[in-house]
Amino acid sequence: EAQVTQNPRYLITVTGKKLTVTCSQNMNHEYMSWYRQDPGLGLRQIYYSMNVEVTDKGDVPEGYKVSRKEKRNFPLILESPSPNQTSLYFCASSLWLAGTNEQFFGPGTRLTVL
Amino acid sequence: EDKVVQSPLSLVVHEGDTVTLNCSYEVTNFRSLLWYKQEKKAPTFLFMLTSSGIEKKSGRLSSILDKKELFSILNITATQTGDSAVYLCAPNDMRFGAGTRLTVKP
Repeated sequence: EAQVTQNPRYLITVTGKKLTVTCSQNMNHEYMSWYRQDPGLGLRQIYYSMNVEVTDKGDVPEGYKVSRKEKRNFPLILESPSPNQTSLYFCASSLWLAGTNEQFFGPGTRLTVL
Repeated sequence: EDKVVQSPLSLVVHEGDTVTLNCSYEVTNFRSLLWYKQEKKAPTFLFMLTSSGIEKKSGRLSSILDKKELFSILNITATQTGDSAVYLCAPNDMRFGAGTRLTVKP
């Protein structure tokens, strides 16, 4: 089944404790991205990747890191999480450049930073 | 700076009503505008629009793009309770609007 998977789905952590949210797609998509969703603000892009070893900042990259060492994986790293990073996070992938094909979204990761 | 504005932010209708959701945008290097539906989970794709004036249809849903006036509309006819969701528009599939929350009452 074609899908985007994220882990964990739910996470409660404390300020400053490094964490990684994994994202994997099995559709051989070139383009992958991370979004956070907060009430009233819609989806805001954190980082995106056009291909392996090619990443770029979205609208809200502060406090996040990403890597794209393999085509299928695009982990999101929070080196020192803070309470303002409490949010719902979505990973997404599309066949090619954003805006040329629809994105497929993962199920979401709900993160709470205390 | 790129902008996406959706209106209304919230809408409550009864089954059978017709609704029109609006999306206005200002983005550089426009390629397309996409609409997504989000229930209590991840967004799912509805339409991708690239050309002005060409309506895309899927059942009771339809959408059209005006590249001159920089807006798109999403129409839903004969609404059903299953249409209750947040509808998101995304020019270039990168910057999303805040969404329109549609509630359809029986």
